[in-house]
Amino acid sequence: KAGVTQTPRYLIKTRGQQVTLSCSPISGHRSVSWYQQTPGQGLQFLFEYFSETQRNKGNFPGRFSGRQFSNSRSEMNVSTLELGDSALYLCASSPNPRTSWYFGPGTRLTVT
Amino acid sequence: GENVEQHPSTLSVQEGDSAVIKCTYSDSASNYFPWYKQELGKGPQLIIDIRSNVGEKKDQRIAVTLNKTAKHFSLHITETQPEDSAVYFCAADPGGGADGLTFGKGTHLIIQP
Repeated sequence: KAGVTQTPRYLIKTRGQQVTLSCSPISGHRSVSWYQQTPGQGLQFLFEYFSETQRNKGNFPGRFSGRQFSNSRSEMNVSTLELGDSALYLCASSPNPRTSWYFGPGTRLTVT
Repeated sequence: GENVEQHPSTLSVQEGDSAVIKCTYSDSASNYFPWYKQELGKGPQLIIDIRSNVGEKKDQRIAVTLNKTAKHFSLHITETQPEDSAVYFCAADPGGGADGLTFGKGTHLIIQP
């Protein structure tokens, strides 16, 4: 079974721009969550989706948003990019909420 | 919210020896504790997990123990091999899904040949 896929793998953006990251979960998985990984803060939870509904949201500003489609694919958007948004953004999928989470390879975002 | 402390931050062991990584958590409602291995340039890979109704779980050279009373859990790797070199993260699920997984800061495991 193919793993979680994320596109693009690398991205360079300028301050003030917006960006959209995409995630395709493992086939049959209906839950998707997103995490931000930085050297200073480690892995931090962004949001979780199940059946197109956001179940939970972490402590991030409103510039960070996401959605899930009917085929369980998910996107996250960051508007008005700041230098501090440079990070590895990881998507994880799970068959259902509260079961094991499997991570994708991440999207490396660099904001200049 | 949940807080997870992980120690040590770096662990160097001789090939063939055992490695132990320890984590403590703060929220007694947490009931799921996964461990992830992250290699350079890759996403975290789930290697083993344990739920609060189980005290110990083993999968070949890897084992995890959980002490709910003391709120700590540990990863044990026996007969370490060069391919075990990576960063390992522990995590806790506070239950209710409010905050997703809360991760420790990671342990860089170095296997010396």
